[in-house]
Amino acid sequence: GAVVSQHPSRVICKSGTSVKIECRSLDFQATTMFWYRQFPKQSLMLMATSNEGSKATYEQGVEKDKFLINHASLTLSTLTVTSAHPEDSSFYICSARGGEGQPQHFGDGTRLSIL
Amino acid sequence: RKEVEQDPGPFNVPEGATVAFNCTYSNSASQSFFWYRQDCRKEPKLLMSVYSSGNEDGRFTAQLNRASQYISLLIRDSKLSDSATYLCVVNGDRIGGFKTIFGAGTRLFVKA
Repeated sequence: GAVVSQHPSRVICKSGTSVKIECRSLDFQATTMFWYRQFPKQSLMLMATSNEGSKATYEQGVEKDKFLINHASLTLSTLTVTSAHPEDSSFYICSARGGEGQPQHFGDGTRLSIL
Repeated sequence: RKEVEQDPGPFNVPEGATVAFNCTYSNSASQSFFWYRQDCRKEPKLLMSVYSSGNEDGRFTAQLNRASQYISLLIRDSKLSDSATYLCVVNGDRIGGFKTIFGAGTRLFVKA
């Protein structure tokens, strides 16, 4: 089945640090990748959608200068949380989709804790 | 009205029970449909795709009714390991950019 690798799985760092999360589709080409955030006991919240080679589309209320997304190839997207603060602590999950009618396949998620 | 609506539950059932989840969607032009499960503090995992002709995978059966814009998931002979949140997911049409909409999920607890 389709495999999506997300790295790192856990990050603990000081306030003000920038954190980079990688998302790779290992056995398929992902025309579209998605970044989500999930707080405890809440639903997935879509942050942004990225297509290879073009700028990401951010959801309302998500600051694009704070959450930098790069989708450099059909198998790699990165999310950089710039100058992270405690309120950015959350579970960040990426997903990748091979085509428009296809399901999304999720990475294992990154648990980010900002002290 | 939410674009994808699910009963949040929780559903508390004994082992061996049959449980059914329902989901409705608002965009009649939606193209594809899926059920995912999400365990606590984990990522969602694709459970199965949903077709009008029905889709069965072992103890799990999914069904789509396009006329009623309704999706169902039936779990037979529930196991303790089925305890999770089940997410109904709908992919939109070309006009909507094939946007994926997730339901809020239905929580299932299977008890011994």
